[in-house]
Amino acid sequence: GIQVEQSPPDLILQEGANSTLRCNFSDSVNNLQWFHQNPWGQLINLFYIPSGTKQNGRLSATTVATERYSLLYISSSQTTDSGVYFCAADTLTSGTYKYIFGTGTRLKVLA
Amino acid sequence: EPEVTQTPSHQVTQMGQEVILRCVPISNHLYFYWYRQILGQKVEFLVSFYNNEISEKSEIFDDQFSVERPDGSNFTLKIRSTKLEDSAMYFCASSASLNNEQFFGPGTRLTVL
Repeated sequence: GIQVEQSPPDLILQEGANSTLRCNFSDSVNNLQWFHQNPWGQLINLFYIPSGTKQNGRLSATTVATERYSLLYISSSQTTDSGVYFCAADTLTSGTYKYIFGTGTRLKVLA
Repeated sequence: EPEVTQTPSHQVTQMGQEVILRCVPISNHLYFYWYRQILGQKVEFLVSFYNNEISEKSEIFDDQFSVERPDGSNFTLKIRSTKLEDSAMYFCASSASLNNEQFFGPGTRLTVL
């Protein structure tokens, strides 16, 4: 099945800094989403982005499906951005539509 | 904005007891999923459900697990005889079609003592 890998595993930033999180996937994707897991464990949907570019405030995401990666950009980071960021994808190839999650990037933003 | 809801938010149970986790998917969605996340680990797929039957299940989803859509609005996950290793956050999700995003509920934290 599809493999989903995220980098870096851990990231520490000073408030106000920018960052780029990467998600590589091993097969053609049908659906791809980015999530932020908050301190209460909830998965907050950031972007549904199987291809192209989207922006929402300080966050933006780009998926280059032909090269099998997606990037999440966080600009002017705030302490509330801390948490774990997951990407999840499913594949056209296997004929099933379950999400495979990456292992996440743990972000800590320092005041 | 419509959302997926889950109850309870936290459930504590004794090993060997049965638990039922409840989810109310978004009303016009047709595809339903359960995922789980053991503390500190990544989110793992358990089962997908469509047209009143299981579409796919993972190796985690053994005979102790079952799912049901009893009344057209609720979607439940039952664990027949809980084990310590079932302690995890369980997420329900739904989608309108196979080419659409999945909407996740807030999760139920299950603690097995």
